[in-house]
This record gives sequence, C-alpha cells and structure tokens, in this order.
Amino acid sequence: DQQVKQNSPSLSVQEGRISILNCDYTNSMFDYFLWYKKYPAEGPTFLISISSIKDKNEDGRFTVFLNKSAKHLSLHIVPSQPGDSAVYFCATNTGGFKTIFGAGTRLFVKA
Amino acid sequence: NAGVTQTPKFQVLKTGQSMTLQCAQDMNHNSMYWYRQDPGMGLRLIYYSASEGTTDKGEVPNGYNVSRLNKREFSLRLESAAPSQTSVYFCASSDVTVSGYTFGSGTRLTVV
Repeated sequence: DQQVKQNSPSLSVQEGRISILNCDYTNSMFDYFLWYKKYPAEGPTFLISISSIKDKNEDGRFTVFLNKSAKHLSLHIVPSQPGDSAVYFCATNTGGFKTIFGAGTRLFVKA
Repeated sequence: NAGVTQTPKFQVLKTGQSMTLQCAQDMNHNSMYWYRQDPGMGLRLIYYSASEGTTDKGEVPNGYNVSRLNKREFSLRLESAAPSQTSVYFCASSDVTVSGYTFGSGTRLTVV
C-alpha cells in the first residue's frame, strides 16, 4: 500500500500558466516533505522541501503548500516554462534514513 | 563537480548471471542509498548505508547485497539476476537526510 500517492500520472499546462502538482500521504507522523524533479536519462534532483511546522515554503517560481489535516501537499510552479517539463516526485522523510517516494507526475509545459 | 557517479550506465544480463553496480560520491557525505525505479511505482529503497561500516535493508532488499567499501563507495550486487530485477537503479548520497539526496544518473539494467 502506497504511503505517498501522486494520483495524477501526467499534467499538461500552457507556458506562462500555473502548474499544480498534488501529493497525498497516509501517515500523520511524516514530518518532512520534499519534491524532486527528474529529466529523462538523469537522476532526480532535489527541488524544494517543507517541514510539518510550516504550511508554505517558497523558492523563486516554486512554492510548496502543506495541509496537515488533509494529509496533502502541493507544488505550485508559476509561471510555468517549457524547461519545467519533467517528472516530479513527492517524497517524505521522518528524519531517519528511509525516504519514501511517490510514483511521480509527468509535467508537460507547452510553448 | 562530479557528485555521484554510477557505473555502468547500461547493462544486459542473462537470468542467473551476477553483476555489481558501482557508485562513488565525492561530496564527503556520510550516508548512501540504492533505489530502483519501476514504471508506476516511483523509487523504492533497496539498501542504505547510514555511515561508513554500516548497511541496512530498505523496502525491497531481496536478491541484492551491498558493500560500503569506504566513505566514498557503495556497491550493489546481484548474485543471480532475475527478470524481475529489470529496472533503473539509482545511487544517492546525503549528509543530512532532510536536506535532500544527490542522485547519480542511473544504471538501466535489463535481465533477459
């Protein structure tokens, strides 16, 4: 049973518009969340993270929102650019050594 | 600026053959990890090494062994490859787990 779920396998967005990628988790004990971005034939790269003591973290065009009561987090990309086309993985870590990843969402940004 | 280096990048094995995937990092990180990526399943942890001299099982360790050769190197061995081990394998390292991992570029393994 997946503990981190990304229910949308893919998302298509027009350049300049907002991309919203969603992630749900099952365990309320998870206290740290990360987003990774992956291009084809490359390894994932760390993008942005958020601690459970916050509900928002922003880094340039990327903002992650955390709703603990709903066990839901989302990644907003504004404005979206063609170079953002990649697979995005949501992940969680409880401070130990086992980071759990979602299945990923493939984002297509159309020019 | 190499980061995490994995070799080989591609490999085709016959069922029952053995091989070792190599991983080295030059960031002086304490912790290293092996993940596999399969379609629709994200990345799953095979083994990890919290620090030099220690290794522990992850979510899917069956059929694999690991060696933390030194602080830089962490290898993954398939003793008797099976078609179910066809996957893309990623090595990663980190200093503090909450700061995110640095991944290698992956090894695409096909077992026929």
